[in-house]
Amino acid sequence: DTGVSQDPRHKITKRGQNVTFRCDPISEHNRLYWYRQTLGQGPEFLTYFQNEAQLEKSRLLSDRFSAERPKGSFSTLEIQRTEQGDSAMYLCASSLKGYNEQFFGPGTRLTVL
Amino acid sequence: QQQVKQSPQSLIVQKGGIPIINCAYENTAFDYFPWYQQFPGKGPALLIAIRPDVSEKKEGRFTISFNKSAKQFSLHIMDSQPGDSATYFCAASSARGDYKLSFGAGTTVTVRA
Repeated sequence: DTGVSQDPRHKITKRGQNVTFRCDPISEHNRLYWYRQTLGQGPEFLTYFQNEAQLEKSRLLSDRFSAERPKGSFSTLEIQRTEQGDSAMYLCASSLKGYNEQFFGPGTRLTVL
Repeated sequence: QQQVKQSPQSLIVQKGGIPIINCAYENTAFDYFPWYQQFPGKGPALLIAIRPDVSEKKEGRFTISFNKSAKQFSLHIMDSQPGDSATYFCAASSARGDYKLSFGAGTTVTVRA
């Protein structure tokens, strides 16, 4: 499968725990985006990378959230001290620089108890 | 605030009918308008997209109509099938905004056999 992959697909955690998600973009895609989708809503932009550089962060990304893309390939999104309001689907998308089309992964469904 | 407004929230049609979903935007910098299809538990899949220099685009049974002066665009699903039952999201992005997508709230389409 040469599409965007995300791991894990589901994560259940207790409030206050840290969680980390991984995204593997389509190979040769140098742009990688993270979005968050809550039930009944459209995805909302969180942050994006061009190669290994994090170029923009939404104000939705509180200081408990951190994202990395160390070698310009896969990316991780970490949430520290999770809160119930963090429960959502976390989506990753990738694209080629200069092209509009973004292709999404299957998402990671986070449930914070 | 939501930069792309989408309606209706849900709609039901009979097989063969033509569901129509409408979206409106305010940001005149937007220059790319995609539609995504999402099934439960899956990530959004790019369906069709249009740029503001074109008033209509067709791909298979899906048609986008675009009205630049009104800042509105819509999706028509011709000869709808039960397999088209899904949630549809309109979105918009701009090169100036590094292509990050602003999504509408989604429309759940149910096609009855």
